[in-house]
Amino acid sequence: QSALTQPASVSGSPGQSITISCTGTSSDVGGYNYVSWYQQHPGKAPKLMIYDVNNRPSGVSNRFSGSKSGNTASLTISGLQAEDEADYYCSSYTTSSTLEFGGGTRLTVL
Amino acid sequence: QLQLQESGPGLVKPSETLSLTCTVSGGSISSSSYYWGWIRQPPGKGLEWIGSIYYSGSSYYNPSLKSRVTISVDTSKNQFSLKLSSVIAADTAVYYCARRNWGSYGMDVWGQGTTVTVSS
Repeated sequence: QSALTQPASVSGSPGQSITISCTGTSSDVGGYNYVSWYQQHPGKAPKLMIYDVNNRPSGVSNRFSGSKSGNTASLTISGLQAEDEADYYCSSYTTSSTLEFGGGTRLTVL
Repeated sequence: QLQLQESGPGLVKPSETLSLTCTVSGGSISSSSYYWGWIRQPPGKGLEWIGSIYYSGSSYYNPSLKSRVTISVDTSKNQFSLKLSSVIAADTAVYYCARRNWGSYGMDVWGQGTTVTVSS
């Protein structure tokens, strides 16, 4: 069982927006602005999409955005495209100076 | 640009030690700006952080693996390594090495991953 809780799956139609949640505690998500989001296509290495809650690495589409409220962080993808279909993982720094991941969310573009 | 490449045996026997190396190219592992880490993913499952190390040797480990894990750095070879002792079948996974910026916790460069199977 993962320390951070994500929905197992979400879906949306092309052009729509979807949001994936990541719920932790005050010892991780709620305690620090160090939540990251990763995209993983089958058989590929994860790709960093958002770091430190709401920052996008260079080259990542501005259709991807992050936010946080209390112990829950969220990843929003706007203008869904077929290529966005993938697994998404959140990650957070913790009070133990460690990192932990969520269980992952499978995004299906209908 | 910076690239990471994992290497090591693809098959390890139960109770033995898994050893992997990550070679850094296109940049220096001795940069004060980065931490270097290992993450694994069992077949069909999610990601699990194993641990991270700074070029100085300062390291942090997943508490659930800490008793079996050692991560080390060899600045002369621009490499860092993972050793996981007393392996069991549940340690079968794709193992990734990755880089993160000091002061941030997003891992922005990843290796392609290497599959390690624990089996007799």
